[in-house]
Amino acid sequence: GEKVEQHESTLSVREGDSAVINCTYTDTASSYFPWYKQEAGKGLHFVIDIRSNVDRKQSQRLIVLLDKKAKRFSLHITATQPEDSAIYFCAASVAGYQNFYFGKGTSLTVIP
Amino acid sequence: EAAVTQSPRNKVAVTGGKVTLSCNQTNNHNNMYWYRQDTGHGLRLIHYSYGAGSTEKGDIPDGYKASRPSQENFSLILELATPSQTSVYFCASGGVGFSNERLFFGHGTKLSVL
Repeated sequence: GEKVEQHESTLSVREGDSAVINCTYTDTASSYFPWYKQEAGKGLHFVIDIRSNVDRKQSQRLIVLLDKKAKRFSLHITATQPEDSAIYFCAASVAGYQNFYFGKGTSLTVIP
Repeated sequence: EAAVTQSPRNKVAVTGGKVTLSCNQTNNHNNMYWYRQDTGHGLRLIHYSYGAGSTEKGDIPDGYKASRPSQENFSLILELATPSQTSVYFCASGGVGFSNERLFFGHGTKLSVL
């Protein structure tokens, strides 16, 4: 089955800098890649996604890049703010199928 | 905003006891999922369901059963709880089909098995 590796387990950046979280996947059939954010003591909530028909997507300060050849995708958070501090999870699935495979999570700390 | 409600929020159980974790969603989603979250493992899928009456095994189903009696409700059952099942459990719901894959999570249930 699919395996999703999330490369950074922890990440610290200064407020205003950019943060980058990298994930790789193994199944070439995977075509949908969402990201979720988990704030302390809470459940996960969706932040952004990308499909395999594009290689870049931006939503405000969040940018997702997809490199299908390398089976790699990444989340870029620009102009970080303290409220960006959280655990971020990447995931992969085959579009139209409802099984998601999650990475282990990256704990991001934004230092004021 | 789609809503997924889990109960209880916290649970302490004894080894060998039966534990039932409940999940209710008001999103009218067909798909529901149970995950557990452990340090060093991230989120792992235990059971999932494609609709009322259906349950499917995820990646780590051993020691767990699931029940989906209705569209809205999905339960996770530990018939004989063990300390290794101490974890935080998340329920999620999701739609069907292209452009409808986003998952909505509950706040989690923290289970301690002593």
